[in-house]
Amino acid sequence: NAGVMQNPRHLVRRRGQEARLRCSPMKGHSHVYWYRQLPEEGLKFMVYLQKENIIDESGMPKERFSAEFPKEGPSILRIQQVVRGDSAAYFCASSPVGQGRDTQYFGPGTRLTVL
Amino acid sequence: AQSVTQLDSQVPVFEEAPVELRCNYSSSVSVYLFWYVQYPNQGLQLLLKYLSGSTLVESINGFEAEFNKSQTSFHLRKPSVHISDTAEYFCAVSQNTGNQFYFGTGTSLTVIP
Repeated sequence: NAGVMQNPRHLVRRRGQEARLRCSPMKGHSHVYWYRQLPEEGLKFMVYLQKENIIDESGMPKERFSAEFPKEGPSILRIQQVVRGDSAAYFCASSPVGQGRDTQYFGPGTRLTVL
Repeated sequence: AQSVTQLDSQVPVFEEAPVELRCNYSSSVSVYLFWYVQYPNQGLQLLLKYLSGSTLVESINGFEAEFNKSQTSFHLRKPSVHISDTAEYFCAVSQNTGNQFYFGTGTSLTVIP
């Protein structure tokens, strides 16, 4: 049973470009969470999605960031017009239905570097 | 919202010595508590968690943590560390409102030969 998959593992973008980060949850998991880890900091919650629905986006920056989890395919975190401050590790986690509070499995992360 | 504090950002310790990594959180109202470990350039792995029942929880590799409601703490301990325990350790909390986890800033444990 494969774990949470994220790709790419490393992503380099120049200022103003778009970044697309992908997350495939564990088999059988329909809930996905995105977290951001800035240098020297802990993980900060960004958004919680179920298939085709955004449940909680209270941690998402108001501009340039969006997330989706379509019926088919991985969850996508999209950052438009990246800036240097977006450089961070972005982690995805998944959980089974109804267990998000006590069970979240994390992927290896995507490390975004903005030049 | 929860606030999770890991007071020690770096902890160096000699091999086979005991270690304690401290974690405090802001509210004890119906919380679940977790310790995750992150090895270099890898994702987070669950080390142990407290959901209910016995306040002392253990991991398979010798770590243990104790939920102390009165002190709102969940300190992680190991009586004898190994070189392979060198990693970043994160304390996390979830609560009954919402599904997000709240993380501390992490403690970097370095085991010295």
